Amino acid sequence: AQSVTQLGSHVSVSEGALVLLRCNYSSSVPPYLFWYVQYPNQGLQLLLKYTSAATLVKGINGFEAEFKKSETSFHLTKPSAHMSDAAEYFCAVTRFGNEKLTFGTGTRLTIIP
Amino acid sequence: GAGVSQTPSNKVTEKGKYVELRCDPISGHTALYWYRQSLGQGPEFLIYFQGTGAADDSGLPNDRFFAVRPEGSVSTLKIQRTERGDSAVYLCASSLSPGLPSSGANVLTFGAGSRLTVL
Repeated sequence: AQSVTQLGSHVSVSEGALVLLRCNYSSSVPPYLFWYVQYPNQGLQLLLKYTSAATLVKGINGFEAEFKKSETSFHLTKPSAHMSDAAEYFCAVTRFGNEKLTFGTGTRLTIIP
Repeated sequence: GAGVSQTPSNKVTEKGKYVELRCDPISGHTALYWYRQSLGQGPEFLIYFQGTGAADDSGLPNDRFFAVRPEGSVSTLKIQRTERGDSAVYLCASSLSPGLPSSGANVLTFGAGSRLTVL
C-alpha cells in the first residue's frame, strides 16, 4: 500500500519568505509523486510531478520539489512567497500502472502581508 | 468544454433520499475519475472509468454508491439512501488517456466539485 504524510495542516509565512511544505511518502515500489494546489471554490490544479526522471522537479508559479529516496520525502518549496500562493496544497502518490492517486490530508498555506 | 464541469455545485438533501451528481469531462478525455473529499481530508479515490467501462471501482464505499458513463463522456455518480456520513465534496477529474505520468502527458484535470450535504 502507498501513502503520503503531510506534516503541518497549517503553515503561515510572510510575503517574500521561503515556502516549505513537507511531504513524506511510504511505498514498497518506486513511487510517482505529485503536488496539487486547491484555491477556494476551484478544482485541484497540478503544480508538479515526479516520475522517476530528474529528482529536482520544477513546476508552475515558481514552485519546485526534490525527490529524496533516502529520506522518503518530496517537499515543496518556493523561494519567495506571494499573496496569491495562499491556498491548500496536497501531496499525492501512485505507481507505474496504477490509476489511483492517494492524497495526503493537505496543508493550508497562509501568507502574511 | 474548456474544463471539467460538475453539477450541481451544491446539493442539500435529507437522509434516505437518492442523489445524482453529474460530471462533464474535457472533450476527448477518455479517462474519468471520481474522488470524495471529506472536511479536513484529502481526496479519496472512488472509481475510475476508461471509456464506458469502470476499470476500477474499488474505492466505492458500499453498494449504495454507483456510477455510470454510458457513452464514454458524461458520468453520473448515484447515491441511494443517503446517510449523513455521505456529506462531502465529490470531485471529478478527467485525463487524455490512462493516468500514467511516465508518458509526460497524462495529467488529471479536476472539476470544482459537488458539495453534498445530507441532513
